[in-house]
Amino acid sequence: KAGVTQTPRYLIKTRGQQVTLSCSPISGHRSVSWYQQTPGQGLQFLFEYFSETQRNKGNFPGRFSGRQFSNSRSEMNVSTLELGDSALYLCASSLDRWGNEQFFGPGTRLTVL
Amino acid sequence: DAKTTQPPSMDCAEGRAANLPCNHSTISGNEYVYWYRQIHSQGPQYIIHGLKNNETNEMASLIITEDRKSSTLILPHATLRDTAVYYCIVRDPAHQTGANNLFFGTGTRLTVIP
Repeated sequence: KAGVTQTPRYLIKTRGQQVTLSCSPISGHRSVSWYQQTPGQGLQFLFEYFSETQRNKGNFPGRFSGRQFSNSRSEMNVSTLELGDSALYLCASSLDRWGNEQFFGPGTRLTVL
Repeated sequence: DAKTTQPPSMDCAEGRAANLPCNHSTISGNEYVYWYRQIHSQGPQYIIHGLKNNETNEMASLIITEDRKSSTLILPHATLRDTAVYYCIVRDPAHQTGANNLFFGTGTRLTVIP
């Protein structure tokens, strides 16, 4: 069974641009969560999608958004990029929302110049 | 959200058991203890979880005290590949907001020494 895949793996953008990251969950998994990891703040929850609906949102500004498609694939978007958005963005999939283990992808390393 | 306390770092000799402690003195009756680890430059990896009974799988054992205020993750025979940051997380899987919005905290950086 294929694991969680994220594309692209690396991305360089400049301030003010926007970016879209993609996540393909494990087949059959319906929940997709996104996390941001930085050296200063560690791993922080961004949002969770289940059945194409955002179910939870972390404490991030509205510039961070996402969506989930009917095949459970998910995208997250960051608009008006800031230097502080440079981070490793991790996607995790889970069978459902209720405590099953989350499987993480390798992440997308975003650098904002 | 910081419901757990872990030592920032630990060393363990290769081949020996690694015992990683976690304090969760305010854990509620419905909250499980989850352990994940993150090897450098990779996404976190689920290890094990439990409610009150000790649990064991192919990766590790989880020992939860009777009062559930603390737990220990045991890697029975640590290898160099077990060098990672280990996160202890408490979560109620039936929480109204779901159980996938994990708070990772700072974890314990385990270094396995040859």
